[in-house]
Amino acid sequence: EVQLVESGGGLIQPGGSLRLSCAASGFTFSIYSINWVRQAPGKGLEWISYISSSSSAIYYADSVKGRFTISRDNAQNSLYLQMNSLRDEDTAVYYCARVGLGYTLDYWGQGTLVTVSS
Amino acid sequence: QSALTQPASVSGSPGQSITISCTGTSSDVGSYNLVSWYQQHPGKAPTLMIYEGTKRPSGVSNRFSGSKSGNTASLTISGLQAEDEADYYCCSYVGTSPYVFGSGTKVSVL
Repeated sequence: EVQLVESGGGLIQPGGSLRLSCAASGFTFSIYSINWVRQAPGKGLEWISYISSSSSAIYYADSVKGRFTISRDNAQNSLYLQMNSLRDEDTAVYYCARVGLGYTLDYWGQGTLVTVSS
Repeated sequence: QSALTQPASVSGSPGQSITISCTGTSSDVGSYNLVSWYQQHPGKAPTLMIYEGTKRPSGVSNRFSGSKSGNTASLTISGLQAEDEADYYCCSYVGTSPYVFGSGTKVSVL
């Protein structure tokens, strides 16, 4: 069974840093691209970052470019999101999502909540 | 990349059919046959309902179908059931961005 489990969320002050993790199981992690997608409270889904299977291609949404860094450890079946210079508007549930057929986000984790507030 | 445009809400009675539109541009929906649709119940993660515009993953009811015309993709739910009440999001692959989501549609079963 494909599973993605996010962790690392919590309450952080504006300007602070946080590192999210996504642990994968039930599939060959090293051959799949993965994304981070977030959802602010009561709002829609927002794609924020993509990393290819070998980390050779990495993309960011303009809203997080220069502040967030995506990375992965294929030996540990894990994906990461380093978030720096956090702002109030970064408050959201953060999901990791696998890229399947047709560039579809076919499996999602349950999400981890990040709250940026003083 | 701007969000794709969806109606904020759509409603229908049990057994009826409803259609949710997803309007983009010639740079996203119009350029790629790579639109997917996601269902999200309150407090839950999104789940895939349609991919590559018209295909259903294993396990998804055949009451859900997708289509596309020009810059607009559509999701139709036929034989509406109470369990279909949820938020629905379209998503288009756009290359190097590489994804843009729709604004979301709340489906209500009357």
